[in-house]
Amino acid sequence: NAGVMQNPRHLVRRRGQEARLRCSPMKGHSHVYWYRQLPEEGLKFMVYLQKENIIDESGMPKERFSAEFPKEGPSILRIQQVVRGDSAAYFCASSPNVGVSNLNTEAFFGQGTRLTVV
Amino acid sequence: AQSVTQLDSQVPVFEEAPVELRCNYSSSVSVYLFWYVQYPNQGLQLLLKYLSGSTLVKGINGFEAEFNKSQTSFHLRKPSVHISDTAEYFCAVIRGGYNKLIFGAGTRLAVHP
Repeated sequence: NAGVMQNPRHLVRRRGQEARLRCSPMKGHSHVYWYRQLPEEGLKFMVYLQKENIIDESGMPKERFSAEFPKEGPSILRIQQVVRGDSAAYFCASSPNVGVSNLNTEAFFGQGTRLTVV
Repeated sequence: AQSVTQLDSQVPVFEEAPVELRCNYSSSVSVYLFWYVQYPNQGLQLLLKYLSGSTLVKGINGFEAEFNKSQTSFHLRKPSVHISDTAEYFCAVIRGGYNKLIFGAGTRLAVHP
């Protein structure tokens, strides 16, 4: 059973370009979480998605950032018109269940995509 | 709102010495607590978690943590560290009814020979 797969591992974009980060959850997982890790900081929650639904996007910047998790295919985190401040590591995690009663199934993390904006 | 404070940004220690990485949380409701480890250029790996029951939780790689409700702490300990334990360690709490983790800023453990 492959783990959470993120690609690309490294992404370089010029200011103003678009960045698309992909996350394929573990087999059987239908819940995806995106986190951002800025240099020398912890991970900050961005968005929580289920298949075809955004459940919680309270950590997403209001502009330029969007996320989707279609019925088929990976989850995509899209950053339009990137700026230098978007340079960070973006991590995806997946889990099969939700709810306090199901917390024995923890979220599994991918290896991240390191975005560098030049 | 919940927050997590990791009191030490860096902890240097010699090999085979004991180590404690400190974590305090703030919450007005019951919490679920986690420690993750991140090796260089890698994702996060779960070390251990506290959901309920015994306050002393044992995890992988010889780590353990103790949940202290009165002090709102969840410190991570290991009696004897190895060079391979050099990594960044993150304490986290669950917020809400799903796996939305709130992370501390991390503690960088550096084990020296």
